[in-house]
Amino acid sequence: GESVGLHLPTLSVQEGDNSIINCAYSNSASDYFIWYKQESGKGPQFIIDIRSNMDKRQGQRVTVLLNKTVKHLSLQIAATQPGDSAVYFCAENTGGFKTIFGAGTRLFVKA
Amino acid sequence: KAGVTQTPRYLIKTRGQQVTLSCSPISGHRSVSWYQQTPGQGLQFLFEYFSETQRNKGNFPGRFSGRQFSNSRSEMNVSTLELGDSALYLCASSANTGSTTEAFFGQGTRLTVV
Repeated sequence: GESVGLHLPTLSVQEGDNSIINCAYSNSASDYFIWYKQESGKGPQFIIDIRSNMDKRQGQRVTVLLNKTVKHLSLQIAATQPGDSAVYFCAENTGGFKTIFGAGTRLFVKA
Repeated sequence: KAGVTQTPRYLIKTRGQQVTLSCSPISGHRSVSWYQQTPGQGLQFLFEYFSETQRNKGNFPGRFSGRQFSNSRSEMNVSTLELGDSALYLCASSANTGSTTEAFFGQGTRLTVV
């Protein structure tokens, strides 16, 4: 498959464990944050988003935490499955119709 | 409904040539953004269009240009291709109603410049 990053940070977890992927964003004016999942050969796929007036948002098996004080975002995946193996990107949006992506983290799920 | 469609999926061009890539957004979506993805630089924003107007532009040289048509379909053009332009070019569409800016990506066009 296609490589989306030869030197990405990598997280390896056992199937069934929880995964935590971290991201530091750069712009304190960013007011909207998104997590994307990209599988080999595909475009990024939306997972979950959060606005700057919130510090936590939950979806199905996923939770995003936002700490504006230290400009940190995290994605928690509960009961990680082999199908969760992918590259995960955080993205920030300042409302200027421009989304800035982080470098990405490669998640490996061991069966 | 159909997702974001990008054509062609793969393209090989020679240095100095130009190329045009096409993106058809999800029906009803009026915002289209373009990104360049490379192993070394990751996903980088090129430009965003809404109702045929470019609203924002990334830090790319003028060789990279785009446009959007009245039916929201968008094209991007790269002139005088360089080897470093080899990348996956991704298009994303969103409704951009103001309540969310969730973007839906196409599968991309893999451009190889030789």
